[in-house]
Amino acid sequence: SAVISQKPSRDICQRGTSLTIQCQVDSQVTMMFWYRQQPGQSLTLIATANQGSEATYESGFVIDKFPISRPNLTFSTLTVSNMSPEDSSIYLCSVVTRSSGNTIYFGEGSWLTVV
Amino acid sequence: GDSVTQMEGPVTLSEEAFLTINCTYTATGYPSLFWYVQYPGEGLQLLLKATKADDKGSNKGFEATYRKETTSFHLEKGSVQVSDSAVYFCALSDLTGGTSYGKLTFGQGTILTVHP
Repeated sequence: SAVISQKPSRDICQRGTSLTIQCQVDSQVTMMFWYRQQPGQSLTLIATANQGSEATYESGFVIDKFPISRPNLTFSTLTVSNMSPEDSSIYLCSVVTRSSGNTIYFGEGSWLTVV
Repeated sequence: GDSVTQMEGPVTLSEEAFLTINCTYTATGYPSLFWYVQYPGEGLQLLLKATKADDKGSNKGFEATYRKETTSFHLEKGSVQVSDSAVYFCALSDLTGGTSYGKLTFGQGTILTVHP
C-alpha cells in the first residue's frame, strides 16, 4: 500500500500570491498525478508529475500557472501561481504503482480558498 | 478521448430504500472502473472497483458490475442509510500500461441525500 501526506491540508490565500502544495508518499511509486476539484464540481486532471523531467499537462492547464516538480520517486510539489478566487479548489495528489497491483491512491487533498 | 457519464442528481431517498446510480463510459481498450465516495467536508475514498468485464466490485453493501456489452458500471445498494449521504463519482483508468496509465477520468458526480 501507499500512504500519501499532503501539505497544507487547508489554507486561505490572498489573491495574487502563490502557494506550493507538497505530496509525500511513504514508498516509491510509478506515477504521480495532480487533480483539481472546484467547488461543487468533479475532479479534473491537471498534470502528470514526471520524475526528473518536466510535467505533462492536460489541456487547459499550463506550466506557468501550475508549475510542478518531482525530484524523486516519493515526492512532488504543485504550485498554484498568481492566485485568483477561481483557483479556490481542492487539489489532490494521486499515485499508482505497479508493485501494489496497480492500485490508485489519493491524498487527503489541499483545500485552498483564495480571497 | 475517454469519458464517463453519470445519472443526473441530486438523488434523494428515504432510509432503507434501494439505490441505483447509473454510470456509462466510453473508452478505448480495457479500462478499470471505479466508484469513489466523498462525504461532506472530506477527501475522496475508493468505494469499489472492477478491473475486467463481468467483475463485480463490492464494499459496505454497495455493488457494481462491469458490463462491457453495455459499457456500464451502475452502483447499487439494497438498503441505504443516512450515513450514505455523500457525493458518488464513477471513474475509469487504463491500468494496462499504456500512455494513460493511472490517469483517472471522472464522471460529474451524483449527490445522494438519505432522509431518516
